[in-house]
Amino acid sequence: DTEVTQTPKHLVMGMTNKKSLKCEQHMGHRAMYWYKQKAKKPPELMFVYSYEKLSINESVPSRFSPECPNSSLLNLHLHALQPEDSALYLCASSQVSRGEIYGYTFGSGTRLTVV
Amino acid sequence: QQPVQSPQAVILREGEDAVINCSSSKALYSVHWYRQKHGEAPVFLMILLKGGEQKGHEKISASFNEKKQQSSLYLTASQLSYSGTYFCGTPQAADKLIFGTGTRLQVFP
Repeated sequence: DTEVTQTPKHLVMGMTNKKSLKCEQHMGHRAMYWYKQKAKKPPELMFVYSYEKLSINESVPSRFSPECPNSSLLNLHLHALQPEDSALYLCASSQVSRGEIYGYTFGSGTRLTVV
Repeated sequence: QQPVQSPQAVILREGEDAVINCSSSKALYSVHWYRQKHGEAPVFLMILLKGGEQKGHEKISASFNEKKQQSSLYLTASQLSYSGTYFCGTPQAADKLIFGTGTRLQVFP
């Protein structure tokens, strides 16, 4: 299995809703990432988990809450979002090995619309 | 901090060549290259490491000049399937990959 699976593919939520994005990989990758991508812009890093521990939070507002229940799963909990949070949310994973650098495998993303 | 890519957009006919450049204001130890087709996820193309080692696939090549803090992606004899947006990515710290500004490539028959 060489894929990163994200669900749902599309999500429309109101500003008072609570929802979660899910990401799963079975490649044995020990680093997992959340990126946010606006139209015609590059992906922007949000969070990094390394060996199931949060290692990087790029000053993301607290209305986004990441969670890594185990080495294969990554969630992003959403609460009280704003319309400007509408974007494509991408999950990615990579191997982690001292002295080696590996490419990232991305999921197909969740297209989020906040109304 | 974000790498700058040039050109911003390229239009090609099948069989033509293109070069995409990526420049960083910070020292580079490695450079990633990804392609993202419209409505899809970015796909890893290759990594270039300090010292010239290259890992990759497909009929696309790249170079990495650590002194100039630049990398270039070479697409030769372009195919329709090469269309998409190309991003370089530079690790700013362990596990922190920052993407460049992007180059949109369109290949027409």
